[in-house]
Amino acid sequence: DAGVIQSPRHEVTEMGQEVTLRCKPISGHNSLFWYRQTMMRGLELLIYFNNNVPIDDSGMPEDRFSAKMPNASFSTLKIQPSEPRDSAVYFCASSPLGSSYNEQFFGPGTRLTVL
Amino acid sequence: AQKITQTQPGMFVQEKEAVTLDCTYDTSDPSYGLFWYKQPSSGEMIFLIYQGSYDQQNATEGRYSLNFQKARKSANLVISASQLGDSAMYFCAMREGATGANNLFFGTGTRLTVIP
Repeated sequence: DAGVIQSPRHEVTEMGQEVTLRCKPISGHNSLFWYRQTMMRGLELLIYFNNNVPIDDSGMPEDRFSAKMPNASFSTLKIQPSEPRDSAVYFCASSPLGSSYNEQFFGPGTRLTVL
Repeated sequence: AQKITQTQPGMFVQEKEAVTLDCTYDTSDPSYGLFWYKQPSSGEMIFLIYQGSYDQQNATEGRYSLNFQKARKSANLVISASQLGDSAMYFCAMREGATGANNLFFGTGTRLTVIP
């Protein structure tokens, strides 16, 4: 199994540009999570999906952030327009739904730098 | 209130010694799960160990064990026979609810340094 795949691994962009982060969950996993990690705030949940449906997006910072999951094998997190304070590592994680174990498997992360 | 509290920003341990990383949690849900993740300098999040709220015995995975004290709401990670490769950030996390993919609440982490 390839694990959770994220792309790109690193992204450097200028303020005001649109940024799209991509995630492919582990095959068969029904739940997908987007987290953001910064030194100041640690690991924060942005949004999560069950069976491609957004369940909790209360962690999405503002309207500049949007996430989609058009099918079970792909999700995007978009920031438009980007700002320097969005610089962080963005993790995608997936988990099998309905399991009492519910370990979340994390992708390698995307390190975003907004200049 | 914080759901997960890790009070040790940094810890040092001599190689081959055991070390305990503290974690306390706060929930009113009778069903929950507790997790520990390791984040080395390379940045990935590596799952280490899981403890369910109804588990009678402390979880163990190789050199990792979880000291689960339910009444005190603590879930400390014990690493035995520390190795240089154990140097990393360690995060405690909690999922509330019995099943379903509820999100994890993470602590602020403890940076462990293993000294040769």
